[in-house]
Amino acid sequence: EPEVTQTPSHQVTQMGQEVILRCVPISNHLYFYWYRQILGQKVEFLVSFYNNEISEKSEIFDDQFSVERPDGSNFTLKIRSTKLEDSAMYFCASSATTTGVPQETQYFGPGTRLLVL
Amino acid sequence: AQKITQTQPGMFVQEKEAVTLDCTYDTSDPSYGLFWYKQPSSGEMIFLIYQGSYDQQNATEGRYSLNFQKARKSANLVISASQLGDSAMYFCAMRVGWVGAQKLVFGQGTRLTINP
Repeated sequence: EPEVTQTPSHQVTQMGQEVILRCVPISNHLYFYWYRQILGQKVEFLVSFYNNEISEKSEIFDDQFSVERPDGSNFTLKIRSTKLEDSAMYFCASSATTTGVPQETQYFGPGTRLLVL
Repeated sequence: AQKITQTQPGMFVQEKEAVTLDCTYDTSDPSYGLFWYKQPSSGEMIFLIYQGSYDQQNATEGRYSLNFQKARKSANLVISASQLGDSAMYFCAMRVGWVGAQKLVFGQGTRLTINP
């Protein structure tokens, strides 16, 4: 069964460093998302992406964050200068489309646990 | 504002019993979708079940069913014949936003523990 994959599974970085989190969505999906979950808290939406541009972003997704689809399979989240409060689990998700309209269900990857020291 | 409320932080159930996890939602949009995801201790988010706001019948997927009561704005998850492997965090989520820019809003989650 097709699945969303994410690398790395864990990343430790120093405050102020740049990190890139990578995702490979399900192959025929065209809508992509990033969410984060701070330890012990609920999952929060960061950004949605379609047709090589951001569809919507939350107020968490400030200028330190960017997303990119550098090729036909990868979808990346970059944090330019990490802060302690960026420590969280980051989930990538994707959903299929029907004539350009996203289908309802978003399928999540296993997550990247980011720790900023 | 769109919001999901899960009032049960933790639930303890005996194996093979049925369990209901509560979820209420708040939205003014006429079109929305409701989801349940399971998060085991390993951390991944596993999709369980979906209910559309216009669906006439309650969704079912194997041992999972969604008790959708639109007037009460509730979307409770029912797990029949619980198993030890059902022990996990369970999140209720709602799809919000216009069709081209959907996002999921999650509740705080319920930690379900199945006792042998």
